[in-house]
Amino acid sequence: KNQVEQSPQSLIILEGKNCTLQCNYTVSPFSNLRWYKQDTGRGPVSLTIMTFSENTKSNGRYTATLDADTKQSSLHITASQLSDSASYICVVSPNTNAGKSTFGDGTTLTVKP
Amino acid sequence: EAQVTQNPRYLITVTGKKLTVTCSQNMNHEYMSWYRQDPGLGLRQIYYSMNVEVTDKGDVPEGYKVSRKEKRNFPLILESPSPNQTSLYFCASRGSYTGELFFGEGSRLTVL
Repeated sequence: KNQVEQSPQSLIILEGKNCTLQCNYTVSPFSNLRWYKQDTGRGPVSLTIMTFSENTKSNGRYTATLDADTKQSSLHITASQLSDSASYICVVSPNTNAGKSTFGDGTTLTVKP
Repeated sequence: EAQVTQNPRYLITVTGKKLTVTCSQNMNHEYMSWYRQDPGLGLRQIYYSMNVEVTDKGDVPEGYKVSRKEKRNFPLILESPSPNQTSLYFCASRGSYTGELFFGEGSRLTVL
């Protein structure tokens, strides 16, 4: 069964600090992995996409990594800001044009001043 | 502006009173889907549609219906809502080339 597991479930950090969120998956076949940010009560928004051949991708202060051999991805947030407080969801898709995406349960990040 | 629009955003109803949550996208996407999100649980897929007149069950389809008569619209129908369907609902469409999911702003439903 395809699964995506995220850790930690929740995380509290101080403003300005860095943090790393983890995503392990068993989805096969694998096409791409995306990290989404979901603000409270809002719809998720895509942050990054990683395909099989990519190891690292950055989007501002967000850097995603992918190890396709161990089926692990991480999202590193640098110099956190209060606006980074949100849920971060890892989504793995078998194919860009067909098939169901598998969602992780998300990591809830709280950034405190 | 590319967007997915859901209506209503908030709704309080009573058990058994049929309701429909509309979803419309303006990106000409073939794939659309519905999710529910409950506290402590991730997004769970209710139904999805690969194209017009093509729909399929997701992980939690019980108590819901959908239709896809037009490419842009994908309404979610609750024929006889029950309190366990109180939840936050999201509609999404997916780009064929990038595979990115575009979500609506959500519809918070309360069934009394």
